[in-house]
Amino acid sequence: NAGVTQTPKFQVLKTGQSMTLQCAQDMNHNSMYWYRQDPGMGLRLIYYSASEGTTDKGEVPNGYNVSRLNKREFSLRLESAAPSQTSVYFCASRVRTGTTYEQYFGPGTRLTVT
Amino acid sequence: GENVEQHPSTLSVQEGDSAVIKCTYSDSASNYFPWYKQELGKGPQLIIDIRSNVGEKKDQRIAVTLNKTAKHFSLHITETQPEDSAVYFCAATINDMRFGAGTRLTVKP
Repeated sequence: NAGVTQTPKFQVLKTGQSMTLQCAQDMNHNSMYWYRQDPGMGLRLIYYSASEGTTDKGEVPNGYNVSRLNKREFSLRLESAAPSQTSVYFCASRVRTGTTYEQYFGPGTRLTVT
Repeated sequence: GENVEQHPSTLSVQEGDSAVIKCTYSDSASNYFPWYKQELGKGPQLIIDIRSNVGEKKDQRIAVTLNKTAKHFSLHITETQPEDSAVYFCAATINDMRFGAGTRLTVKP
């Protein structure tokens, strides 16, 4: 049981380049999330997928797109990278327990845009 | 939407002392309050959580308290050890989870 996995671990892009961050979970969770983490700002939600086949915007969706490929996989795409997207990106999955939730994070992708 | 504030941003304690981190939230509908520990180069890991129908929860050296009336909750770590050094995040949840900005805890041997 690997939990939540992310690839790649590190990436350097030039402004204007595109890339896709991959995320997969093996816990059979319905909900998956993409966050970015910047110094002094905690974790901010980019997009989420409450269930297979659905995606919704979070707090900071501009410049990103997502695909919920199947129940296990949720990818994040940067179509035209900008220096403001330099950040650490975390994927998470969530399970509902009664009326509340428990959320588990992947190890992160450190992205630098020059 | 929900707004979570976390204090202090940095905290330094001597090994064996206690550490307290406080968070406030804005939306009274929030019903789940997890705490995450993030070590350098890793993703956040859930260490303890509390639900809105509970006032206090303890797990060995860590405890969390919740005051729904005042809309604040706190993490308490007793008998701190160097391996407790990390960044700690609180969060408040209605449908999605909103995080505080984090507290960098340093435990000096």
